[in-house]
Amino acid sequence: GAGVSQSPSNKVTEKGKDVELRCDPISGHTALYWYRQSLGQGLEFLIYFQGNSAPDKSGLPSDRFSAERTGGSVSTLTIQRTQQEDSAVYLCASSSLRDREQYFGPGTRLTVL
Amino acid sequence: AQSVTQPDIHITVSEGASLELRCNYSYGATPYLFWYVQSPGQGLQLLLKYFSGDTLVQGIKGFEAEFKRSQSSFNLRKPSVHWSDAAEYFCAVGAGSSNTGKLIFGQGTTLQVKP
Repeated sequence: GAGVSQSPSNKVTEKGKDVELRCDPISGHTALYWYRQSLGQGLEFLIYFQGNSAPDKSGLPSDRFSAERTGGSVSTLTIQRTQQEDSAVYLCASSSLRDREQYFGPGTRLTVL
Repeated sequence: AQSVTQPDIHITVSEGASLELRCNYSYGATPYLFWYVQSPGQGLQLLLKYFSGDTLVQGIKGFEAEFKRSQSSFNLRKPSVHWSDAAEYFCAVGAGSSNTGKLIFGQGTTLQVKP
C-alpha cells in the first residue's frame, strides 16, 4: 500500500518568506507526527496529532512554526518569516493505535538562503 | 526528562564481522524502544521495536536487540555485517503518557563497512 508522502521534496526559499510543507499520512492512521532533522540538532520532535485530541505542540521551536491537520488526514506545517537556522529536513510520520509503529515519509529538504 | 544516548558517533567494521551499536535511555516508566536505519538520501526505516515481553527482539535484515532494564540499555546487534548495512542508525524511545506520542531520538551512529 501507499506509504507516507511529503511534498515538496525540496524547497529553497529566501530568508523572511513563509513556507508550507505538506504531509499525506497512511490511510487509516490516526496519529501524525512532524520531526526535524538537522546537522547540529539531530532528529527533533516538533508536533503530534492524535485523532480529534488537542495536538502536542511541545516541540515547536518558536511561534513562527505552526501545523494543522484537516479532516484527520493531510497535515500542513507552516513556517513564517523563515530564518537560515530553519534549514533542515522536515520529516512526517504516521501511526495507528494498533501497532504504534511510526512510518516515516521521505522528508522535505528546506533550504533558507 | 526522557533522553536517549548513543555513545558511538561513528563505527567502522569489516564486512562479515559482528556488530553491536549501543543505546542507553532515560525514562521513568517501562519504555517503548525502537531502532531505525537511515540510508543516504532515504527516509527512516524501522528495524525493530520493544514494547513488552521477551527482552530479545528480532528485526528485519538479520538485526536483533536486547532490552536490559538494569542497564537502561537497548543495544542493537548483528552477527555478520554486509556492505549494504552501511547507514546511520538511530535508537529512539517512545515518550508521552501512553507511549504513543513523540519519539525521542539518539544522535545516531554512522556505520561504515570495510570490504
